[in-house]
This record gives sequence, C-alpha cells and structure tokens, in this order.
Amino acid sequence: AQSVAQPEDQVNVAEGNPLTVKCTYSVSGNPYLFWYVQYPNRGLQFLLKYITGDNLVKGSYGFEAEFNKSQTSFHLKKPSALVSDSALYFCAVRDGRGSTLGRLYFGRGTQLTVWP
Amino acid sequence: DGGITQSPKYLFRKEGQNVTLSCEQNLNHDAMYWYRQDPGQGLRLIYYSQIVNDFQKGDIAEGYSVSREKKESFPLTVTSAQKNPTAFYLCASSIRYSGSSTDTQYFGPGTRLTVL
Repeated sequence: AQSVAQPEDQVNVAEGNPLTVKCTYSVSGNPYLFWYVQYPNRGLQFLLKYITGDNLVKGSYGFEAEFNKSQTSFHLKKPSALVSDSALYFCAVRDGRGSTLGRLYFGRGTQLTVWP
Repeated sequence: DGGITQSPKYLFRKEGQNVTLSCEQNLNHDAMYWYRQDPGQGLRLIYYSQIVNDFQKGDIAEGYSVSREKKESFPLTVTSAQKNPTAFYLCASSIRYSGSSTDTQYFGPGTRLTVL
C-alpha cells in the first residue's frame, strides 16, 4: 500500500538558519514524490517533484528536496529560512505503476515556524 | 491557485441539508479531484474523475456525490448522509495520467464548510 509519513508535526527554526522537513514513503513500483505548501485558509501550492534522475531536486522559493531510495526518504530543505516560509508543508507520493490513475497519497503535514 | 476556482469560500449548512460546492478549471485538464482536509489528518480523497461522465470513489466517498458533465467543472454535493461534514474542501486538477509519465496536481483555494 502507498503511504507517506511526516514524522514531525512541527518544526521550529530561526530565520537565516537551514531548515529540513522530513518525509518517508512506502510505495510499490517507482516512487513519484511531491512537496506542497499551504498558507492559512488557502489551497495547496506546488513546490517541487521527483520523477527520476538527479536525487537533488530544486523547486520554487529556494526550496530543494533530496531523494534517498535506500532510506525511502524525500526530505525538504532550504539553506536559509525566511519568516515568510512559515506554513504547513505536505509531502505526497504517487504510485508509478499507473493503476491508481493519478492518485496522490498525502502525509499529515508539518507546521513550519520560522522565528525572526 | 491560478486556473482553478472554488465557490463559495465559506458555506454554512443546517442539519439535514444538501449543499453543493463548485469547482471550475480553465487549465484544459482532464483529471479532477476532491479532497477533504481536517486538522492533523492531512488530505483525504473523496472522489476523482479522469474524464467527462466518469468518476471513481476515493477513500471517504460515503455521504458525498459528484458529477462530471463538462470537462471544466466537477461539483461536489455534501448530502445529509454525511454525518460530520465540517471541514475544508479542496479541489484539484491535473493532466490525465498516461503511460509512464506523471504530472502535477494543482489546487483551488478551497471552501470551508461549517454545519450549524
């Protein structure tokens, strides 16, 4: 069965410090992995995705994510956090076999707070 | 959120009422999705549709119904059979999955439904 775990409900970091939001996944077949961000009372905004190729994926707003197949992880990172990065972050996985017809499976979300 | 509109932004329902949430997209996407978001539970799939006049149940379809009469529209009806409908509802769309490729789901701004 496809699933995603975000082990931290909350991550707190000081502005200017690097940030990491963790995600691990379980999927049959090749994993397609996504990160989204959600600001209060808004829809989800796409940040980046891993399909194949380089294990380091670069996305919007200076975010990047590192795919690690042996650890089944896809952690979101940013070298220098901004207060405006404070939001709810979701990791999602899609089964690459195609039988699930485009379904995404989401983690529960991690609330990131960046302190000034 | 661009390209996908949801209305209304806020909706109040009395006990025993059916209500319909609107979702429209102008991205020429074939696939559309409805998710429910509750605090601390991530996103759960209600229904999805890959093509006009066809749709499939997701993980929590009981008490909900949908239609897909036009490519750009995918309305969700919350029926009186849904016992706990208070939640944030998100609509998404994507290019239809095909072969070994994948694509990104883009989300609307959401509708917050409250039962009075």
